[in-house]
Amino acid sequence: RKEVEQDPGPFNVPEGATVAFNCTYSNSASQSFFWYRQDCRKEPKLLMSVYSSGNEDGRFTAQLNRASQYISLLIRDSKLSDSATYLCVVNIYGQNFVFGPGTRLSVLP
Amino acid sequence: DADVTQTPRNRITKTGKRIMLECSQTKGHDRMYWYRQDPGLGLRLIYYSFDVKDINKGEISDGYSVSRQAQAKFSLSLESAIPNQTALYFCATSNDGYEQYFGPGTRLTVT
Repeated sequence: RKEVEQDPGPFNVPEGATVAFNCTYSNSASQSFFWYRQDCRKEPKLLMSVYSSGNEDGRFTAQLNRASQYISLLIRDSKLSDSATYLCVVNIYGQNFVFGPGTRLSVLP
Repeated sequence: DADVTQTPRNRITKTGKRIMLECSQTKGHDRMYWYRQDPGLGLRLIYYSFDVKDINKGEISDGYSVSRQAQAKFSLSLESAIPNQTALYFCATSNDGYEQYFGPGTRLTVT
């Protein structure tokens, strides 16, 4: 089983739609969780960290469920500019980052 | 100026050639990483370094070597390139294992 798993998509949604991605991780000792965004042929960039209490940044909401070992990302009111690949990333303190394969999102006009 | 730079940005080389990819950073971070990205596989860790005297193998280090010349510089070498090393290579830095900052990537093609 891969350490971090994501549905590769693509998720094709119309502008204005709400879309949610899930990510599961296998190591229960994982301590830090992140969502990165990667545009085609570009470097990944941090979208948001994921905290146990859940956190929101504008149209983006991230949630962590430690008991079930999954992380979610909700995007509300999708924009064309949200089209990208979203990478789930897990870190065990003092060790390294493990990346999921990414979920591709296309927001259609 | 970019905080993390990589050179070259694109490279085509032949099987058996030695090639070096270079990474420099101005963020003052101690931790530096090299990843490769292949379609459908995400980013996979090749080598990482937590300071100048610390070098560690990652998930897929076979066929690669690294050198940490200074806090700001971390180079990746392919001693004898082979076609399945064709990929997009990213360097990244981190401060205390929190957010990672990536360079723009090097697209390497081995023919």
